[in-house]
Amino acid sequence: ETGVTQSPTHLIKTRGQQVTLRCSSQSGHNTVSWYQQALGQGPQFIFQYYREEENGRGNFPPRFSGLQFPNYSSELNVNALELDDSALYLCASKVGGVDTQYFGPGTRLTVL
Amino acid sequence: QKEVEQNSGPLSVPEGAIASLNCTYSDRGSQSFFWYRQYSGKSPELIMSIYSNGDKEDGRFTAQLNKASQYVSLLIRDSQPSDSATYLCAVTDTGNQFYFGTGTSLTVIP
Repeated sequence: ETGVTQSPTHLIKTRGQQVTLRCSSQSGHNTVSWYQQALGQGPQFIFQYYREEENGRGNFPPRFSGLQFPNYSSELNVNALELDDSALYLCASKVGGVDTQYFGPGTRLTVL
Repeated sequence: QKEVEQNSGPLSVPEGAIASLNCTYSDRGSQSFFWYRQYSGKSPELIMSIYSNGDKEDGRFTAQLNKASQYVSLLIRDSQPSDSATYLCAVTDTGNQFYFGTGTSLTVIP
């Protein structure tokens, strides 16, 4: 167990809908990153938050957005869902300035 | 475009053998290097990190890094059926952003 939790575990949405995924960081970790992992692929970096500010973003469109809260928990919001958004969404937390990050169990999103 | 390349496999080894997993990366500025293990349907779990050239051993696992060749590998000694999983190589850039390979599927045959 890494101490990183995510909710929900599974989610089914239809194309065009919006979704919010949640992540609770490991205690003491102030940095959260979100990843999208399609079937058979490695995790792809979406963005990273450090002390409530986005400080890095991968090659994802603006309809992917996020928040980090004062307790360092985080949300990933995806608007206008597309079929290709179906994937495992992972969050990972770490202490800022330190490389080692730890993943949560993930949220499996299916878009129909 | 920063790339991390892995042989997707599948790699099959008999129980007790050495499994060798390889990874190359394109960005010479890469700072840190990691191996994660991912069981089917689960999230990645950290096995090892390595930061400088040479070997780093942790139990049955040895990570090897060669920055001149932009190459990092993972050796698993005395492979066990429980080692059957997908192994992900990850590197970080100067901004601590992670780049993952697509993973190598390993099967250890009893």
